Amino acid sequence: KQEVTQIPAALSVPEGENLVLNCSFTDSAIYNLQWFRQDPGKGLTSLLLIQSSQREQTSGRLNASLDKSSGRSTLYIAASQPGDSATYLCAVRRGRDDKIIFGKGTRLHILP
Amino acid sequence: DGGITQSPKYLFRKEGQNVTLSCEQNLNHDAMYWYRQDPGQGLRLIYYSQIVNDFQKGDIAEGYSVSREKKESFPLTVTSAQKNPTAFYLCASKTGGNEQFFGPGTRLTVL
Repeated sequence: KQEVTQIPAALSVPEGENLVLNCSFTDSAIYNLQWFRQDPGKGLTSLLLIQSSQREQTSGRLNASLDKSSGRSTLYIAASQPGDSATYLCAVRRGRDDKIIFGKGTRLHILP
Repeated sequence: DGGITQSPKYLFRKEGQNVTLSCEQNLNHDAMYWYRQDPGQGLRLIYYSQIVNDFQKGDIAEGYSVSREKKESFPLTVTSAQKNPTAFYLCASKTGGNEQFFGPGTRLTVL
């Protein structure tokens, strides 16, 4: 059974710093992995999607990597800003039509 | 402007009532999903539909029902059989490239 873990559950970082959020999964046979952002009381916003054949994806200040063999993904945020404060969730999909499995998220607080 | 809409944003239910949460998408996506989010528990899948007129139970379907009569719409009914319905409900749809997108959510509170 696939399990997705995100550690730490919460993280506070001074503004301007680069930071890395971690996601680990127990079954390396995945179809893709997706990173989301969720602001309090809001829906999830898709940040990056990495297919199983890819090693990384970039969007602006965000870079997500995928290492299937070790069951890990990281989300790198460069030059953090207070507006980056949110909960970040990763989710893995096992097969094309399978449901996705979510981690519980990392609550990020960027200190002004 | 394409996207997923959910209504209402806030919903209050009395004990013993059934309520229906609306989810509409104009993204032309075949697959749609309903999740429940509780503090500290992450997202849990209630029901999903891969195509019109077909849907499957997720991990916590008891006390819920859905229909998928149109591609654009996937309403969720929370029945009186659901013992602890107070939660944040999220609807989602999936592209052909398997990227999932979410609506803004409905917060349901039982009075």
